[in-house]
Amino acid sequence: NAGVMQNPRHLVRRRGQEARLRCSPMKGHSHVYWYRQLPEEGLKFMVYLQKENIIDESGMPKERFSAEFPKEGPSILRIQQVVRGDSAAYFCASSPPGGQGTSKFFGPGTRLTVL
Amino acid sequence: TQLLEQSPQFLSIQEGENLTVYCNSSSVFSSLQWYRQEPGEGPVLLVTVVTGGEVKKLKRLTFQFGDARKDSSLHITAAQPGDTGLYLCAGAPAGGATNKLIFGTGTLLAVQP
Repeated sequence: NAGVMQNPRHLVRRRGQEARLRCSPMKGHSHVYWYRQLPEEGLKFMVYLQKENIIDESGMPKERFSAEFPKEGPSILRIQQVVRGDSAAYFCASSPPGGQGTSKFFGPGTRLTVL
Repeated sequence: TQLLEQSPQFLSIQEGENLTVYCNSSSVFSSLQWYRQEPGEGPVLLVTVVTGGEVKKLKRLTFQFGDARKDSSLHITAAQPGDTGLYLCAGAPAGGATNKLIFGTGTLLAVQP
């Protein structure tokens, strides 16, 4: 049973470019979460999605960041007009349907570097 | 703002020693998860605890969820170099409308051979 898949593992962008990060959840998981880990900081929640719905985006910056989880295909975290402060590790997690006690499994992350 | 404070922040011990990592908050959590993260990788789930007072064992690791569901501990017996890594606790806030996790500040463990 494959785990959570993320690609690319490493992404380099110049300031002003767009970054697209992809996440394929574990088989049977319909809930996806995105977290960001800034250098020397802990993991911070960004957004929680179910298929075709954004459930909680309280951790997402208001501008330049968007996320989707379409009916078919992976979840996408999109960062427009990247700035140096966006450099971080972005992790996706997935869980099966259920309450707050359901376990969440993380992918290996995408490390974004903005030059 | 819900915070999870972990202690100690750093821990360097010799192989074979025992250790305990603490995860504390003033907030109540409906569940709590412990992860281990190695450099360049994502957090790997170790355990999920959901009931106040619950104790779970995973080989040499013992996890406890506080009676009031505000704190947790991780005890490692006879630590091995393979236990080296960043240990993170993460809680789902009680009464929260969504499933987001609040992560602790982390404990960086180094086990010397």
